[in-house]
Amino acid sequence: AQTVTQSQPEMSVQEAETVTLSCTYDTSESDYYLFWYKQPPSRQMILVIRQEAYKQQNATENRFSVNFQKAAKSFSLKISDSQLGDAAMYFCAYRTHSGSRLTFGEGTQLTVNP
Amino acid sequence: GAVVSQHPSRVICKSGTSVKIECRSLDFQATTMFWYRQFPKQSLMLMATSNEGSKATYEQGVEKDKFLINHASLTLSTLTVTSAHPEDSSFYICSARPGGGNTEAFFGQGTRLTVV
Repeated sequence: AQTVTQSQPEMSVQEAETVTLSCTYDTSESDYYLFWYKQPPSRQMILVIRQEAYKQQNATENRFSVNFQKAAKSFSLKISDSQLGDAAMYFCAYRTHSGSRLTFGEGTQLTVNP
Repeated sequence: GAVVSQHPSRVICKSGTSVKIECRSLDFQATTMFWYRQFPKQSLMLMATSNEGSKATYEQGVEKDKFLINHASLTLSTLTVTSAHPEDSSFYICSARPGGGNTEAFFGQGTRLTVV
């Protein structure tokens, strides 16, 4: 069974600084997808970024980028130039290539200090 | 992106009554939808996978008779909490993914259920 682990229950960052959120996962599959979702106080789940395991290049979306280390089964999220609106719970998630269901990590609560 | 609408956003019901939560995909068809439960400051826990035209697949430990799921059309799935109990109070979220392949999942806004 696949598992996703986020070892940082809480993180904080100063506005305009950079922060990295950690995620590790366990799977026997060779092809799969990894995601970072943001859940602000509104509780709406928002996709931040996704990575396809067969792609070696790390995904980027504006200020958000990932460090995908397939051999180490690590998938960290870097947020650059942090903004107050980035404050939220962040979830790392995994999905097999052909599957539909997502497996979520425990989440990391990010606080952005002005 | 695709839109998933969940209704109601908040509901309060009395113990022993039933409450229905709707999940609609507004601009795409979804043969599969997912229902999650989330406790405060915790992750999303998959309750069941809703399949259009067939029975839902429940995760281990989820009571089928308590959490009734109906997926009558390609754009609507409903979750009915029967004989609600205060312990059923929680945040419920649905999601759906258009088509197959590598499309992403979209989430509803969630429903805050309070059983008094």
